[in-house]
Amino acid sequence: QQQVKQSPQSLIVQKGGISIINCAYENTAFDYFPWYQQFPGKGPALLIAIRPDVSEKKEGRFTISFNKSAKQFSLHIMDSQPGDSATYFCAGGSSNTGKLIFGQGTTLQVKP
Amino acid sequence: EAGVAQSPRYKIIEKRQSVAFWCNPISGHATLYWYQQILGQGPKLLIQFQNNGVVDDSQLPKDRFSAERLKGVDSTLKIQPAKLEDSAVYLCASSLGTAPEGETQYFGPGTRLLVL
Repeated sequence: QQQVKQSPQSLIVQKGGISIINCAYENTAFDYFPWYQQFPGKGPALLIAIRPDVSEKKEGRFTISFNKSAKQFSLHIMDSQPGDSATYFCAGGSSNTGKLIFGQGTTLQVKP
Repeated sequence: EAGVAQSPRYKIIEKRQSVAFWCNPISGHATLYWYQQILGQGPKLLIQFQNNGVVDDSQLPKDRFSAERLKGVDSTLKIQPAKLEDSAVYLCASSLGTAPEGETQYFGPGTRLLVL
């Protein structure tokens, strides 16, 4: 099975706090792990992505932590802002095919 | 650079009717994807095209869904006949190609379908 399991389903964080979203995958053939951000009425947009040869990748306030042995990865949003309120999807994919399997999504609300 | 265009944005039909969605990918993008996103779930791949050839349609319900990408540019997704469970947002995405630089998928705004 090629599932990607994501948790929590929803998350409420105070402004300035840290938001953490976790994902677990099953398919060891996955070699590409992106996070997408989706606002209501819009399509998902790539936020940050990582490959399994590194354990962490940081871009601004967004960091992916990757644990290959546990087949888990997580998104950390530092100094969360109300503008970060959106739905976040993790995904696992194969570079050979370009196919992505998405998690169920996490709805993040950042309170002012 | 123009993004992925989709039309219509909204569609309401009755069950057993047919419906078609249109997608225009980013210029030069060889790979085109159609996803189904049911409310509260992540996008699920229906079909993937590389230029005008089908790469993966394993999750496409072929008894009622069809898709084509003539001339390797625009694409249409059709549902005939529609069922209540087809109510969802249909997302089109495109990418330059596969690894390593062309993996990023750019999504359109989607078509929200309601089947009554």
